[in-house]
Amino acid sequence: DAGVIQSPRHEVTEMGQEVTLRCKPISGHNSLFWYRQTMMRGLELLIYFNNNVPIDDSGMPEDRFSAKMPNASFSTLKIQPSEPRDSAVYFCASSRLMGEQFFGPGTRLTVL
Amino acid sequence: AQSVTQPDIHITVSEGASLELRCNYSYGATPYLFWYVQSPGQGLQLLLKYFSGDTLVQGIKGFEAEFKRSQSSFNLRKPSVHWSDAAEYFCAVGPEGGNKLVFGAGTILRVKS
Repeated sequence: DAGVIQSPRHEVTEMGQEVTLRCKPISGHNSLFWYRQTMMRGLELLIYFNNNVPIDDSGMPEDRFSAKMPNASFSTLKIQPSEPRDSAVYFCASSRLMGEQFFGPGTRLTVL
Repeated sequence: AQSVTQPDIHITVSEGASLELRCNYSYGATPYLFWYVQSPGQGLQLLLKYFSGDTLVQGIKGFEAEFKRSQSSFNLRKPSVHWSDAAEYFCAVGPEGGNKLVFGAGTILRVKS
């Protein structure tokens, strides 16, 4: 049974470039979460979806960040334009409604 | 506002020794509490959770945690630590359903032989 799949696992880009992170949740899960982990701020919830609908995006830091979930098996987190302070590990997690969250392995983003 | 405090950034224990990781929370409603473990380069894995009922909860890998409402604490324990337990441990609090979780800063556990 595949877990949450994230791609790419590592991304190195230059400041000003667009970055797209991808997530495939566990089949049958209704909720999807995007987190960011940094040394300074720890693990922060950016946005979450229920049944493909964004429920709470209050954690999205700026308008440069956007997230979509076009269907139940795919979500993207986009940063445009990227900045060095966006460097972090980005995690996607999924769950059944009201259930335990299962985390993906993360995408380590480095913005030069 | 909800918050989670893990007062110990690093803890070192000898293999075979007992372990207790501290977690204190601030939450306006009935808290749903979680402990996660993160190995280097990996995502987070749920160790255990508390929603209601018995305040001593058992989790995977021999871990347990005790909810103490009067102390706003949810400490994680293990009677005998194995070298493979070396990792970072996160306490989290959230609403019913556990969707909008707030995580503590984490405690890095080192195990010495």
